[in-house]
This record gives sequence, C-alpha cells and structure tokens, in this order.
Amino acid sequence: DARVTQTPRHKVTEMGQEVTMRCQPILGHNTVFWYRQTMMQGLELLAYFRNRAPLDDSGMPKDRFSAEMPDATLATLKIQPSEPRDSAVYFCASGRGYEQFFGPGTRLTVL
Amino acid sequence: GIQVEQSPPDLILQEGANSTLRCNFSDSVNNLQWFHQNPWGQLINLFYIPSGTKQNGRLSATTVATERYSLLYISSSQTTDSGVYFCAGDNQAGTALIFGKGTTLSVSS
Repeated sequence: DARVTQTPRHKVTEMGQEVTMRCQPILGHNTVFWYRQTMMQGLELLAYFRNRAPLDDSGMPKDRFSAEMPDATLATLKIQPSEPRDSAVYFCASGRGYEQFFGPGTRLTVL
Repeated sequence: GIQVEQSPPDLILQEGANSTLRCNFSDSVNNLQWFHQNPWGQLINLFYIPSGTKQNGRLSATTVATERYSLLYISSSQTTDSGVYFCAGDNQAGTALIFGKGTTLSVSS
C-alpha cells in the first residue's frame, strides 16, 4: 500500500556536521510537509510545499535549515551546521486536500 | 490562546475498558484529524473528521464543528491501543496542522 518513506530512520552526528534527511511522498500527493517533534515543543511545522513550490517555511531556522523538492518524488531537509538543540524526530507528511499522511520519521541525535 | 487542547493528558486503562478522549479547538482551526502515535513513534491516521461521526472497528470519532470539539471513542481497549493520541486541525491558511499535546494512553492486561 502507498506510504510516505523517509531516510535515514536514525542519524547520530556531531555538532557542526551537515545532516540531510530525505522523504518520498505518496505518489499523486501534491502537498509535502516537514514537522519536528520534541518532548518540549511537541509537533511543529518546519516547511510546507504545494506542487513542489515552497509556500511556508516560517517555522524553520533559516540560518541553518533548508528544505527543497528537486522533483515530485523527493523532498529534502538539510541542517548545516547541526547543533545539539536540533536533536528531535523529523517527520515528513504528504497529502492531497486537507488530510495528511506521515512517514516513519528520522530520529536525529546531534552530539 | 491555545488552539488545540486535549484531555485528559494521561489515561490508564485495563484491557477491555472503554474510553473517551476529547479535543477542543479554537475558531482558527478546522478540518480535524485524529492520529495515533504508537510506541515505535509512527504517526498513524485514524480519522479525518471535520464534522459528523465516523467509525472504524473499535474506534469511532465525532466532531461537532459548531461547538468546536471532537471526541475519540475507544471501545474494548487492547494493549496495542497504547500510545499517544493526537488531534490536529488546519490553521486558517490551510498550510499546516496544529497539533494538541496529546493524550497518552496505557492499556494493561
């Protein structure tokens, strides 16, 4: 059945390193979202794409985070340089209309 | 103010018990969805329920949009129902889901 896939599932890195997370949305979905989940903040939106165009990235620290959709089957979220406070689970979701379907997440640990 | 508020924050049940989870949402939130985050972290869609009632097996949900609340019913709970239940709704621009803080459910055998 159709699912959102994310890679890697787990990432441990050292402060200052670049981190790239990838997402494959469900075929036919035209919206893609990146969320971050932490114990303190819960689930919060980082970026939103519709038809591959970035529409909202106001939740993303612009100095170190960037999100792109090079094509309809791939969305990327990059952190450069990474910091310990970036440790969290990063979820990608896709949808068509209002309903959103989430991937399994990337658990990022920055030491 | 708080846009999506869930109660109770924690719930402990014996297997077989029924439960009701509540979600209150503000005027700026619409198109409610319910999710279950299992102990492995996976977020699973349960219901997309902007209004009315839907049922899926032992789970059902009702949203009364005019009164800004939604209820999730779990009947004959099982240990596999354990996890965190989130409700979420679209922001006014329709560009993001606003999540509640969740209800953590623990079902013991």
